[in-house]
Amino acid sequence: ETGVTQSPTHLIKTRGQQVTLRCSSQSGHNTVSWYQQALGQGPQFIFQYYREEENGRGNFPPRFSGLQFPNYSSELNVNALELDDSALYLCASSSHKQGMNTEAFFGQGTRLTVV
Amino acid sequence: AQSVAQPEDQVNVAEGNPLTVKCTYSVSGNPYLFWYVQYPNRGLQFLLKYITGDNLVKGSYGFEAEFNKSQTSFHLKKPSALVSDSALYFCAVKRGSYIPTFGRGTSLIVHP
Repeated sequence: ETGVTQSPTHLIKTRGQQVTLRCSSQSGHNTVSWYQQALGQGPQFIFQYYREEENGRGNFPPRFSGLQFPNYSSELNVNALELDDSALYLCASSSHKQGMNTEAFFGQGTRLTVV
Repeated sequence: AQSVAQPEDQVNVAEGNPLTVKCTYSVSGNPYLFWYVQYPNRGLQFLLKYITGDNLVKGSYGFEAEFNKSQTSFHLKKPSALVSDSALYFCAVKRGSYIPTFGRGTSLIVHP
């Protein structure tokens, strides 16, 4: 098991609602990335946070937003939920050193179902 | 732009036989390549990576992968498959500090 923990593990929300997912990064890691994994697909990059700033963003609308805290933990917020937002949301932590990221270590994910 | 192709949705192999899960990539410059494994309802677990050096990379659980620059491939291999190796396998590529791009995944089924 990695040291990356996500909460909650499962969540059911209604279309139009807002959701917050949480991630604690592995000790010594300063970078957190969020991915969306739809059923039968590979992880799709949402965004990455480094030193509390967004450090890259994938092709996701602004209603997907995030935060990174001084202890490097992170939140993913999704507003105005849509049915297609139903997916496994993965948090990955890594260490940004000398302009390079080490390999990412993933949490167990949060399974979000939008009804 | 960078991309990864995993041409097989599913690979079936008998326990004890060698296994190969294929991955090809496209990236400008020198690639960083990774393999991850995912068990049902779990996150991805890191298996191995290629950054530079020896083309044959050894990783966790007896897996290894061979980097082939001319064929832009990074196939995952194991000499003797176990039933417990049955899972979803993802190949990923990135360049330097860029964000990794993941393939769609290959389901490995090892039959007893």
